[in-house]
Amino acid sequence: DVKVTQSSRYLVKRTGEKVFLECVQDMDHENMFWYRQDPGLGLRLIYFSYDVKMKEKGDIPEGYSVSREKKERFSLILESASTNQTSMYLCASSFGSGYEQYFGPGTRLTVT
Amino acid sequence: KQEVTQIPAALSVPEGENLVLNCSFTDSAIYNLQWFRQDPGKGLTSLLLIQSSQREQTSGRLNASLDKSSGRSTLYIAASQPGDSATYLCAVKGATNKLIFGTGTLLAVQP
Repeated sequence: DVKVTQSSRYLVKRTGEKVFLECVQDMDHENMFWYRQDPGLGLRLIYFSYDVKMKEKGDIPEGYSVSREKKERFSLILESASTNQTSMYLCASSFGSGYEQYFGPGTRLTVT
Repeated sequence: KQEVTQIPAALSVPEGENLVLNCSFTDSAIYNLQWFRQDPGKGLTSLLLIQSSQREQTSGRLNASLDKSSGRSTLYIAASQPGDSATYLCAVKGATNKLIFGTGTLLAVQP
């Protein structure tokens, strides 16, 4: 079974803090993704990576950056957290283009 | 721009009923379509993946169909159980590596 884990289930941070969200997959998947999910807006893609050190912007990359130094790990970085980044953050991975995406349990981030 | 819609937004059925969830998309040039379930406060669980060349996929009590030309997919759940209660999401993948998600159907199966 594919396992995608995220470093925290719940996180509370203050405005202006730098925030790191970590995602690890154990199936040697090429592609990894970061989404955020908000009521009424659904899931929106922030960034994705199709290889180590490679990244591409999704639909809402502003205010975020990512890092993929190792194949199994994909980090989402909020450079200076703001209240409008309060959301559920979901990480996913897939073997390659056209394959199923598998999701982690999510991190509920609150920025106060 | 691809848009994915799921109707109804919410559905409540008694236990044991067979039911159909609908997903429609505006651009038929899709690579595949994936159905997920999401329990409250949790991540997404992949249920079925249908490639663009396929018409349907089955897993246990679940059957998903795909009609690319009409831009529709359905998820059929047989003999529903209270444990099936969740939000069901469909997502389509086009030429890029991105999934475009629908708005979801919240299903409640009453014991």
